[in-house]
Amino acid sequence: AQTVTQSQPEMSVQEAETVTLSCTYDTSESDYYLFWYKQPPSRQMILVIRQEAYKQQNATENRFSVNFQKAAKSFSLKISDSQLGDAAMYFCAYRSAKATGKLIFGQGTTLQVKP
Amino acid sequence: KAGVTQTPRYLIKTRGQQVTLSCSPISGHRSVSWYQQTPGQGLQFLFEYFSETQRNKGNFPGRFSGRQFSNSRSEMNVSTLELGDSALYLCASTAGEQETQYFGPGTRLLVL
Repeated sequence: AQTVTQSQPEMSVQEAETVTLSCTYDTSESDYYLFWYKQPPSRQMILVIRQEAYKQQNATENRFSVNFQKAAKSFSLKISDSQLGDAAMYFCAYRSAKATGKLIFGQGTTLQVKP
Repeated sequence: KAGVTQTPRYLIKTRGQQVTLSCSPISGHRSVSWYQQTPGQGLQFLFEYFSETQRNKGNFPGRFSGRQFSNSRSEMNVSTLELGDSALYLCASTAGEQETQYFGPGTRLLVL
């Protein structure tokens, strides 16, 4: 069975600085997708970034980028120029290419942004 | 396009009762997935419906059931509620096989 682990329950960053959230996963499959979702206090889950396992190039969305290490099964999220609005819980998620409707989530990392 | 909508947003029930939650996906999305979020267990997958058929199922007891209608709207039912069913229930919809899931705002259920 696939598992996703986020080893940092809480992180903090100073506004305008850079922070990296860690995620590791375990799978025997070769075709899958990885995601980072953000859940602010409103509880609405918002997609931050997505990575296809078959792509070697790391995904980037504005200030958000990932470091995808397939062999190491690692998928970290880097937030550059942190803003107060980035404060939220961040979830790493795995989706098998065979089970398209099922996301497996990590336990989440709460990010605090200090002004 | 309107996002995923869930009703009701908040619900209070007592043990032993049953509850039905509703989810309307983004227009054109045919897959709907349900998740339970609790402080102790985190986010757990309940089930997925696609074209009115359950396609995937998580490890939840039979008290948790769902269905999907021809317009892709989905309902989730929990019978014989237990205190441990108190949670945020999230619904997500997907356009297709390779697409991303988009989430609704959730229904917060409190069982007393």
